[in-house]
Amino acid sequence: DQQVKQNSPSLSVQEGRISILNCDYTNSMFDYFLWYKKYPAEGPTFLISISSIKDKNEDGRFTVFLNKSAKHLSLHIVPSQPGDSAVYFCAASDSNAGKSTFGDGTTLTVKP
Amino acid sequence: EPEVTQTPSHQVTQMGQEVILRCVPISNHLYFYWYRQILGQKVEFLVSFYNNEISEKSEIFDDQFSVERPDGSNFTLKIRSTKLEDSAMYFCASSGGGGYQPQHFGDGTRLSIL
Repeated sequence: DQQVKQNSPSLSVQEGRISILNCDYTNSMFDYFLWYKKYPAEGPTFLISISSIKDKNEDGRFTVFLNKSAKHLSLHIVPSQPGDSAVYFCAASDSNAGKSTFGDGTTLTVKP
Repeated sequence: EPEVTQTPSHQVTQMGQEVILRCVPISNHLYFYWYRQILGQKVEFLVSFYNNEISEKSEIFDDQFSVERPDGSNFTLKIRSTKLEDSAMYFCASSGGGGYQPQHFGDGTRLSIL
């Protein structure tokens, strides 16, 4: 039972353009959502999060949108930079458990 | 910026041997986690630890696995009798709170079972 899904294994965008990474979840108990970025040979690094009481959270070039009714969230990166090239993981948790359930990841390539 | 450190970075072990993976979480964090990532697959939750006891574990975390916080700074994962399928990257993470706090990950230990 895959509770968090990232349906696009890869995404390629031009530098300066917007990158949109998508994530769907099935568990209605999830109330906290996170995006992590991962470079090869490193652990995941926290990027941005959103709780279920919000529908948008912005931090610099990164914005996360949450659509609870559709059980969908997305990460927008504007403008995209070559250094953003990495694997992006969507994760979800419920406030009681604390553990995160991860999606499969999307490999973002930003071309100069 | 404080970080989670894991040792060793790479561990090679014969099948059936015991292995201990070590982690030093961020010092003021209270919640500790182990995850693993088999090559090419997703990051999977193994266990969470709070207040000196396991708070949750996955079905992967069977009797061969154990965790310990022996001295207030280290957090260890022990696999008693390793199997080939235990080969993976093992990530330790810590957070300052439970559900509404992001987890900070170490760079992982690559465990190779021969």
